[in-house]
Amino acid sequence: AQKVTQAQTEISVVEKEDVTLDCVYETRDTTYYLFWYKQPPSGELVFLIRRNSFDEQNEISGRYSWNFQKSTSSFNFTITASQVVDSAVYFCALTSTQTGNQFYFGTGTSLTVIP
Amino acid sequence: DVKVTQSSRYLVKRTGEKVFLECVQDMDHENMFWYRQDPGLGLRLIYFSYDVKMKEKGDIPEGYSVSREKKERFSLILESASTNQTSMYLCASSLVTGGGHYGYTFGSGTRLTVV
Repeated sequence: AQKVTQAQTEISVVEKEDVTLDCVYETRDTTYYLFWYKQPPSGELVFLIRRNSFDEQNEISGRYSWNFQKSTSSFNFTITASQVVDSAVYFCALTSTQTGNQFYFGTGTSLTVIP
Repeated sequence: DVKVTQSSRYLVKRTGEKVFLECVQDMDHENMFWYRQDPGLGLRLIYFSYDVKMKEKGDIPEGYSVSREKKERFSLILESASTNQTSMYLCASSLVTGGGHYGYTFGSGTRLTVV
């Protein structure tokens, strides 16, 4: 079975604070892909990052960083020095060779950055 | 860049009407998907298609049907709209090659209200 859990439903932080969004996944497949998407108030989901199961290196892109740990089945997302423009709903997603091309999404975390 | 275009941003329909939601992608992707998004429930898969004239049920297909007569177009049909189908509808397409899964590209969504 494939499952993605985002336990944090809503998070509020004050601008310039760091914030981490948690993502825990379940899969029995050895080859899988993990993604993060951002959904701003405009509605369109925007791709942020893709990570395959063979690459456990952490990644940093500007103020964004991702921590992939297979030992804990987690793929957490940290925003450093948050800004108001980071306010959005963030989705973690999983696909694997077992699921074909179908994604499994978490229920999303709504982040509000307060000026 | 891949573009996924949904024909309407907002729609208001009456109960019992037949509703067509159109989605077109311009990058020759085989795979196309329809999701609905509701608060607290995340994204739920309605139908998907891996090829022309091919369709597969997702997690919540009841009350919906789809059509894929051309590779670039994937239509979602509400046979007889009901108020519980008021939701945000998201179309996506994806590319999977020997190099792996490259994620979904989403349209900007159609917010449907059934009155």
